[in-house]
Amino acid sequence: DQQVKQNSPSLSVQEGRISILNCDYTNSMFDYFLWYKKYPAEGPTFLISISSIKDKNEDGRFTVFLNKSAKHLSLHIVPSQPGDSAVYFCAASVRDDKIIFGKGTRLHILP
Amino acid sequence: GAVVSQHPSWVICKSGTSVKIECRSLDFQATTMFWYRQFPKQSLMLMATSNEGSKATYEQGVEKDKFLINHASLTLSTLTVTSAHPEDSSFYICSARTRQGGETQYFGPGTRLLVL
Repeated sequence: DQQVKQNSPSLSVQEGRISILNCDYTNSMFDYFLWYKKYPAEGPTFLISISSIKDKNEDGRFTVFLNKSAKHLSLHIVPSQPGDSAVYFCAASVRDDKIIFGKGTRLHILP
Repeated sequence: GAVVSQHPSWVICKSGTSVKIECRSLDFQATTMFWYRQFPKQSLMLMATSNEGSKATYEQGVEKDKFLINHASLTLSTLTVTSAHPEDSSFYICSARTRQGGETQYFGPGTRLLVL
């Protein structure tokens, strides 16, 4: 049973536009959410996180939105750049417990 | 940000041999380290959670006698794939958790294992 779901395996976005990556979760006990970016043959890189007490967290071009009632979070990247092409993993955890990852969404930034 | 290293970055071995992968936190102490395996379609599977000074906690379906994990110090965890078989060929990634940034995990660069 997948507790963290990324239903879009891939997404293509024009350079300069906004990229929106979505994630749904089923465990209402999750209280910490993270996004990671991964290039092929490399380990994931931490991007941004959000605690369940917030509904938005922004860091430069990256903003994460959390909708607890819908058990949904999203990552917005604006403006999208060629170097943003990668696989993005949504992840969630209950405090002090392991992080559960989604299967990832491959983002293609088109020139 | 926190830095985690892995060694080796890639290894080729014969079927039946054992391979050890090291994971080090370079600039922080990691009381907890995690080992992941990356499967096709980019999903990450948690294999085990390693706490310094205690036995690792393995996820369901992961053979603890095949994937030996040792967390000898606050900066080093090792994964040994024993009697490796071609189906063990994969990309193995470790991560370490630091309290400095909350529950964020920082990942190593990964180790590509190819078993012939």
